[in-house]
Amino acid sequence: NAGVMQNPRHLVRRRGQEARLRCSPVKGHSHVYWYRQLPEEGLKFMVYLQKENIIDESGMPKERFSAEFPKEGPSILRIQQVVRGDSAAYFCASSLTILWDTASGYTFGSGTRLTVV
Amino acid sequence: ELKVEQNPLFLSMQEGKNYTIYCNYSTTSDRLYWYRQDPGKSLESLFVLLSNGAVKQEGRLMASLDTKARLSTLHITAAVHDLSATYFCAVDPNYGGATNKLIFGTGTLLAVQP
Repeated sequence: NAGVMQNPRHLVRRRGQEARLRCSPVKGHSHVYWYRQLPEEGLKFMVYLQKENIIDESGMPKERFSAEFPKEGPSILRIQQVVRGDSAAYFCASSLTILWDTASGYTFGSGTRLTVV
Repeated sequence: ELKVEQNPLFLSMQEGKNYTIYCNYSTTSDRLYWYRQDPGKSLESLFVLLSNGAVKQEGRLMASLDTKARLSTLHITAAVHDLSATYFCAVDPNYGGATNKLIFGTGTLLAVQP
């Protein structure tokens, strides 16, 4: 069990380019969450997905950001036309059941550190 | 909107000393999580506190939850350098519902000096 795998670990993009962040959950986990951590801050919830469905995207910016978790393959967080303010660490987490029903919480990945130049 | 506040934000302490990190939250919840983050790394789960009065201990760290006061504490006993990291508390605002997300505090940067 390799845990939650995120790639790339570091990503540099110029303003206006697209960023694609990938997350493979723990094997058997069907619940995926994306969080963003700005410098010197705590993590902020972005989106919660189950296979092929977005369940809660209340933390996603209304424009340029999208997420998917297809039937096959990793979950993808996509940021179009990146701006400097998008520079942050993006963490993916997964769980076997819904968070409320688990006594152990999430398993986090190592994160993707996005730098927009 | 649920707010989670930690204090202190920065804590410099000497090896061998004891100290406590506080986590206050603004609305009813009965689930609270503590995580540790080393620089440039992911978050490691330390404790999950699931009810009022819950107390958990692992090594030199002990966490407790008072849901009536909306307060959790992380107590460090006889600190060692290896404990240097940023510690986050996170609250599940699920009381009476199902939000399935965590609200994180801003973190406490702990630096243990020899």
